[in-house]
Amino acid sequence: QVQLQESGPGLVKPSETLSLTCTVSGGSVSSGSYYWTWLRQPAGKGLEWIGRHHPSGSTNYNPALQSRVTTSIDTSKNHFSLRLTSVTAADTAVYYCATAPIASNYGWFDPWGPGTLVTVSS
Amino acid sequence: DIQMTQSPSSVSASVGDRVTITCRASQGISNWLGWYQQKPGKAPKLLIYAVYSLQSGVPSRFSGSGSGTDFTLTISSLQPEDFATYYCQQADSFPPTFGQGTKVEIK
Repeated sequence: QVQLQESGPGLVKPSETLSLTCTVSGGSVSSGSYYWTWLRQPAGKGLEWIGRHHPSGSTNYNPALQSRVTTSIDTSKNHFSLRLTSVTAADTAVYYCATAPIASNYGWFDPWGPGTLVTVSS
Repeated sequence: DIQMTQSPSSVSASVGDRVTITCRASQGISNWLGWYQQKPGKAPKLLIYAVYSLQSGVPSRFSGSGSGTDFTLTISSLQPEDFATYYCQQADSFPPTFGQGTKVEIK
């Protein structure tokens, strides 16, 4: 079955850009049946949906983050990516990649990667 | 955004107990409601989707119910591996949103 693994810097300086990659195994990012999705969770807090990317090129981003978020898919490497610009301490969180079937409207997220902690600090 | 409110925020229970967690949406979400289980240091795991449907591999002691704005997750007989935090999530409207979580603790 599909497995996901996030990777990227664990420390980002304020005002810089956070860049993460999610590598897909056991499946293809070219699959039109799924949205490739990013979510995050600050320590001790709840879950926030960041955005999703469909292989057709369609994207949707959380309005709260839309001006700073970009996602992409690299079919040659079978991975998808997240860029979040102008980060502040409020962006410190565990970042998860996940997939959701297109038939699930705006959900359901399964599977998830294990998550990667990104700390924003100088 | 649709606000999802869970209650209680935490519950203490013993192995074998029946546990019920409720989730209320700030507006109707039809049947676009899912439940996740998260253990410390781990990613959330989808338990139930579309109110009632059990994700593959999830034990049948987990069940979901509800409609419109009010939903329930029930664990019929709590097992040691069920101590975790549970989140509801609406998939009806953009952006998808989660409840604040309910922590099920050992009594």
